[in-house]
Amino acid sequence: QSALTQPPSASGSPGQSVTISCTGTSSDVGGYNDVSWYQQHPGKAPKFIIYGVNKRPSGVPDRFSGSKSGNTASLTVSGLQAADEADYYCSSYAGSNNVVFGGGTKLTVL
Amino acid sequence: QVQLVESGGGVVQPGRSLRLSCAASGFTFSRHGIHWVRQAPGKGLEWVAVIWYDGSKKFYADSVKGRFTISRDNSKNTLYLQMDSLRVEDTAVYYCARGIEGGYGMDVWGQGTTVIVS
Repeated sequence: QSALTQPPSASGSPGQSVTISCTGTSSDVGGYNDVSWYQQHPGKAPKFIIYGVNKRPSGVPDRFSGSKSGNTASLTVSGLQAADEADYYCSSYAGSNNVVFGGGTKLTVL
Repeated sequence: QVQLVESGGGVVQPGRSLRLSCAASGFTFSRHGIHWVRQAPGKGLEWVAVIWYDGSKKFYADSVKGRFTISRDNSKNTLYLQMDSLRVEDTAVYYCARGIEGGYGMDVWGQGTTVIVS
């Protein structure tokens, strides 16, 4: 399975919004409503922030939202805060009980 | 609290074997599928394997198929990853992660254990 495509970096100023894309194929992102997003701070384990394309686990601020159009999923972080600076990864169910991750996007808060 | 704790990492020579463990607490282990995910130094996340809640089904990434074996002991609330024929490219932090119901997201992650093949 090939990794999903994410931009290597993204940035925004505090209070602004930023959107991170995650592009796959009809065999993964486009074929299933099973896209998740994770936030990872340096040296830490990933944190689960979005599942089922646009659902937020309890405790995740509503500043984080997800969407999907065709083969591309997106994560939007609004009202950027310094603490949002981290790496973000998407994942998708890819059929046959396999999961594929994106390459990750480093979000910088300017 | 809900927790996963990995152990068993270390330095191993190419071609040798290593077994990782993941101890679960704070939730009903036997109700959840569990994944192994790894992260090579400075790289992104890579899904490795998943085992169903009852151990009846196991699935692997192509990169480890035939070399790694995932298993679990629900009486001990513990997940395992037997890694055989290790390669330099298996060097990574290995995380266990709890699968969510009805999907393939992973909602609880351990802190990871480091495997160095050299």
